[in-house]
Amino acid sequence: DSGVTQTPKHLITATGQRVTLRCSPRSGDLSVYWYQQSLDQGLQFLIQYYNGEERAKGNILERFSAQQFPDLHSELNLSSLELGDSALYFCASSPSASGSNEQFFGPGTRLTVL
Amino acid sequence: GENVEQHPSTLSVQEGDSAVIKCTYSDSASNYFPWYKQELGKRPQLIIDIRSNVGEKKDQRIAVTLNKTAKHFSLHITETQPEDSAVYFCAASIGNYGGSQGNLIFGKGTKLSVKP
Repeated sequence: DSGVTQTPKHLITATGQRVTLRCSPRSGDLSVYWYQQSLDQGLQFLIQYYNGEERAKGNILERFSAQQFPDLHSELNLSSLELGDSALYFCASSPSASGSNEQFFGPGTRLTVL
Repeated sequence: GENVEQHPSTLSVQEGDSAVIKCTYSDSASNYFPWYKQELGKRPQLIIDIRSNVGEKKDQRIAVTLNKTAKHFSLHITETQPEDSAVYFCAASIGNYGGSQGNLIFGKGTKLSVKP
């Protein structure tokens, strides 16, 4: 157990819908990262937050957004869902904003868009 | 931006043999290189990492080497066991103490199968 929690574990929804994925970082970690893992694209970085502020953006679609709240948990919002958005979504946390520290991954949320 | 290439995509070895996975990166500013092991349906777990001020690091049967000049790093697993079977990902990060961002750029993974 990494200490990072994600809910829900599984999510099945239809095209065009909107969903929210939730992540709670390890106690004391200020950085949260979101990654998307699909079969053909591997692990893709989406976005990073540090202590409530956006710090880095990767290949995140405009239909996706995220935020980090004062209690440091983070939510990833996916809207106007398409079949291709089906994937495993991981969040990871680390103590600082720097990339020189280990990132601890949560168990992931498996999103299926029908 | 950073790009990480990983080879091979699949690797099959006999139990007790060694396995080597290689990665190259493009951004010379990258200075942190972790390796993650991911079992089917599970989260990636860090198995070893190396920073750019170190050329080699070893932890029991696992070792990582880094060649900054050539911009490549490798994972070596000795005396492989069936429980080593998994997908292994290399990654690179432009991390620096006090830096503002630290996302990992991953290779596409190597599926390692260890046959008893």
